[in-house]
Amino acid sequence: DSGVTQTPKHLITATGQRVTLRCSPRSGDLSVYWYQQSLDQGLQFLIQYYNGEERAKGNILERFSAQQFPDLHSELNLSSLELGDSALYFCASSVSAGGNQPQHFGDGTRLSIL
Amino acid sequence: GESVGLHLPTLSVQEGDNSIINCAYSNSASDYFIWYKQESGKGPQFIIDIRSNMDKRQGQRVTVLLNKTVKHLSLQIAATQPGDSAVYFCAEGSGGSYIPTFGRGTSLIVHP
Repeated sequence: DSGVTQTPKHLITATGQRVTLRCSPRSGDLSVYWYQQSLDQGLQFLIQYYNGEERAKGNILERFSAQQFPDLHSELNLSSLELGDSALYFCASSVSAGGNQPQHFGDGTRLSIL
Repeated sequence: GESVGLHLPTLSVQEGDNSIINCAYSNSASDYFIWYKQESGKGPQFIIDIRSNMDKRQGQRVTVLLNKTVKHLSLQIAATQPGDSAVYFCAEGSGGSYIPTFGRGTSLIVHP
């Protein structure tokens, strides 16, 4: 058990809809990362927050947004959903913001767009 | 290049054999390297890490080797067990960059 909790585990919705994925980081971790993993791509970094502030941005679409709340949990909002957004979405957390430490991953949210 | 899923490089071994999974990294400035294991339906799980001031680090049944000259990383698993079957991928990072770069992974299949 990594200590990172993601909800929901599965989400099925239709094109054009909006969903919110939730992540609770490991206790004591200030940094949260969001990744997308699909069959034909590896683990794609979307965005990082550190102690409530956006720290780094990757290949995140404009239709996607995220935030980290004062209690350090984070939400990833996906809107105007398209079939190609079907993927596994992972949240990871780490103690601080640097890239020289392990990240601890949740078990992901599987998003299926019909 | 490597891909996750259908096009993932695969290593098949017999139970009890030693496994070696390789990874080439791209950034000479990377000074921190991690191996993750991802089982079906789960998130990546941290296995072992190594910093660039070392060339070898051992854990329980696992050893990571780092060759900075050729930018190569390997994960050795001793006495491989069926429970080791998973996708393994490496990541490189540095203190100067917030985000580590993940490789695409190798599927390890352990036959009983």
